[in-house]
Amino acid sequence: AQSVSQHNHHVILSEAASLELGCNYSYGGTVNLFWYVQYPGQHLQLLLKYFSGDPLVKGIKGFEAEFIKSKFSFNLRKPSVQWSDTAEYFCASLGGTSYGKLTFGQGTILTVHP
Amino acid sequence: GAVVSQHPSRVICKSGTSVKIECRSLDFQATTMFWYRQFPKQSLMLMATSNEGSKATYEQGVEKDKFLINHASLTLSTLTVTSAHPEDSSFYICSARTSGRTYEQYFGPGTRLTVT
Repeated sequence: AQSVSQHNHHVILSEAASLELGCNYSYGGTVNLFWYVQYPGQHLQLLLKYFSGDPLVKGIKGFEAEFIKSKFSFNLRKPSVQWSDTAEYFCASLGGTSYGKLTFGQGTILTVHP
Repeated sequence: GAVVSQHPSRVICKSGTSVKIECRSLDFQATTMFWYRQFPKQSLMLMATSNEGSKATYEQGVEKDKFLINHASLTLSTLTVTSAHPEDSSFYICSARTSGRTYEQYFGPGTRLTVT
C-alpha cells in the first residue's frame, strides 16, 4: 500500500529561521504530491502541489517544495519563517493503487517563536 | 471559491445515540466527497469515498453499517454515526472534489464529535 512519511512530528523555530520539513512517499510510479497546512482552528488549505514538469514547485506564502524522484522525497522549504507560519503541515500523495485518494503523512507541527 | 462547510462544528452526544454530520460544497458541484477521521496527533485517515447518486466506497476496516454516508446531491454529503460509542469520539473532516479538477480536494473545517 502507498504510504507517506514525515520525519519530524514537532519543529520549533525562531522567526527568520529557515525551514525544511521532510516528506517521503513509497510509490515508485507516477504520483501527484501535495503539501497542506492547517492553521489553529482552521481547515486544511493547499500550500502547493506537484504533478509534473519542474521539480521545484512554488506555493503560496513563500513556500516551495522540491520533488526528488530518486529519493522519493518532496520536502517543504521556506527561507525565512514568520510567527504566522505556526501551524500543522501535512504532506500527501495521490496516485498508484490509491487512485483518486489522498494518502497523508503523519503531519508536522511547526511552532515559530517571535 | 471552492468553499466546503461542515455542520455542526462540535457535537456532544450520549453513548448509543446517532449523530449526523453534514458536508456542503458552497460554490461548486462536488461529484466526489471524501470523509476522513483524525485522531489527536495523528494524520487524516480516509474512511470512505462517496460519489453523487451512488453508494459510498468504504476503506478497509471501516464499518459501513456504523458510518452511514449519503451523497444525495452535488452539494451535500452526510455522515451518520449510528449507535455512537466513546471510541467514536474524534475529529471528522470532509473534502470535496469536482469532476473538472480531478486532483484537487477542498476541505471542510471539520466536526469534533464527543461521545459521553
